[in-house]
Amino acid sequence: DQQVKQNSPSLSVQEGRISILNCDYTNSMFDYFLWYKKYPAEGPTFLISISSIKDKNEDGRFTVFLNKSAKHLSLHIVPSQPGDSAVYFCAASAQYGNRKLIWGLGTSLAVNP
Amino acid sequence: GAGVSQTPSNKVTEKGKYVELRCDPISGHTALYWYRQSLGQGPEFLIYFQGTGAADDSGLPNDRFFAVRPEGSVSTLKIQRTERGDSAVYLCASSPSENTEAFFGQGTRLTVV
Repeated sequence: DQQVKQNSPSLSVQEGRISILNCDYTNSMFDYFLWYKKYPAEGPTFLISISSIKDKNEDGRFTVFLNKSAKHLSLHIVPSQPGDSAVYFCAASAQYGNRKLIWGLGTSLAVNP
Repeated sequence: GAGVSQTPSNKVTEKGKYVELRCDPISGHTALYWYRQSLGQGPEFLIYFQGTGAADDSGLPNDRFFAVRPEGSVSTLKIQRTERGDSAVYLCASSPSENTEAFFGQGTRLTVV
């Protein structure tokens, strides 16, 4: 049973436009959420995180929104760049921090020039 | 080194054999994590070390899997009597504490034939 769901296996956007990646979760005990980016043959790279006491966190071109009532979070990338093409993973923890992260299946983003 | 280093990068072994996978974390990082990623899946938590002790090993699938970190730095993941289902990318990550960003290595791709 997937506790963290990324229902879109892939997404394609034009360079300069907004990319929106979605993530849903089922465990109401999750209190910390992260997004990781992964290039082929590399380990995941931390992108941005949000704790359950917030509903938005922004870092440069990346913004994560959290809707606790809907158990939904999204990652917005604006403007999208070709170098953003990668697999994006949503992850969640029931204890603040990195301990025992539960991961989604990932969304492959392609940003076309 | 500058990042988390995992060796070997690739390992092919025969069913029933014993394997060891090594992780060199970033110097000074007290928290160390092992994850396993099967094809088409997100990473799956295996075990978490805080210093030398395994603070949480609830993700180890069975008693064929064991991990150590005797001096609080390098960690070794040991798999006995390997099975074809153990084939996956084994990821190691470290962080200064469990509440800060975790840095991942490039992973070890284990193939059991």
